[in-house]
Amino acid sequence: QVQLVQSGAEVKKPGASVKVSCRSSGYTFTAYYMHWVRQAPGQGPEWMGWINPNGYTNYAQKFQGRITMTRDTSISAVYMELSSLTSNDTAVYYCARELIGSSSFGFLDYWGQGSLVTVSS
Amino acid sequence: QSALTQPRSVSGSPGQSVTISCTGTSSDVGDYNYVSWFQHHSGQAPKLMIYDVGKRPSGVPDRFSGSKSGNTASLTISGLQAEDEADYYCSSHAGSYTLIFGGGTKLTVL
Repeated sequence: QVQLVQSGAEVKKPGASVKVSCRSSGYTFTAYYMHWVRQAPGQGPEWMGWINPNGYTNYAQKFQGRITMTRDTSISAVYMELSSLTSNDTAVYYCARELIGSSSFGFLDYWGQGSLVTVSS
Repeated sequence: QSALTQPRSVSGSPGQSVTISCTGTSSDVGDYNYVSWFQHHSGQAPKLMIYDVGKRPSGVPDRFSGSKSGNTASLTISGLQAEDEADYYCSSHAGSYTLIFGGGTKLTVL
């Protein structure tokens, strides 16, 4: 069965960086984009960007310059690193897959369980 | 780029129908037929309920339907059930293969 398993909760100090992992199983990793979406407490989701299996990335303008998405196809994993953290980055971070080459966009059919990142001094 | 606008909360009794709106602009909802709706129970991963405005993924009950008029998309849940109580989020293509989400609507089944 399809599974996206994310890394555990993290506590970071302001100014630090965090790297969240998302390991996939149960499907052909190279056939899907991976989106990253975060949700701060009491707020709606916020799209951060996506990475394709070739390593091409598309970041939301808001995060340009401090976000890096990478992938390791040998272990079907993707990573999202966010730098220069502030308290506003406290959120649950999700990975979610989307089929490459479909006629749709926004078909995020499987999501990871979420990784809580807390930024606090 | 501001989030899509959704009502903070809606409610309905079992068996009734409710509609959740999602208002964007001519640069997102109004320009693309790529609106999705997600159901989110606290502590769980979000679940895709509607894509491409009005299409249902396999396994989603036909009680869930979607539509769009101009810059506003809508999710209608008919025959409301207790397990439908959750947060609902819309999303839309916002150009250049980017996504924008709504602020979320809490559905309460009375």
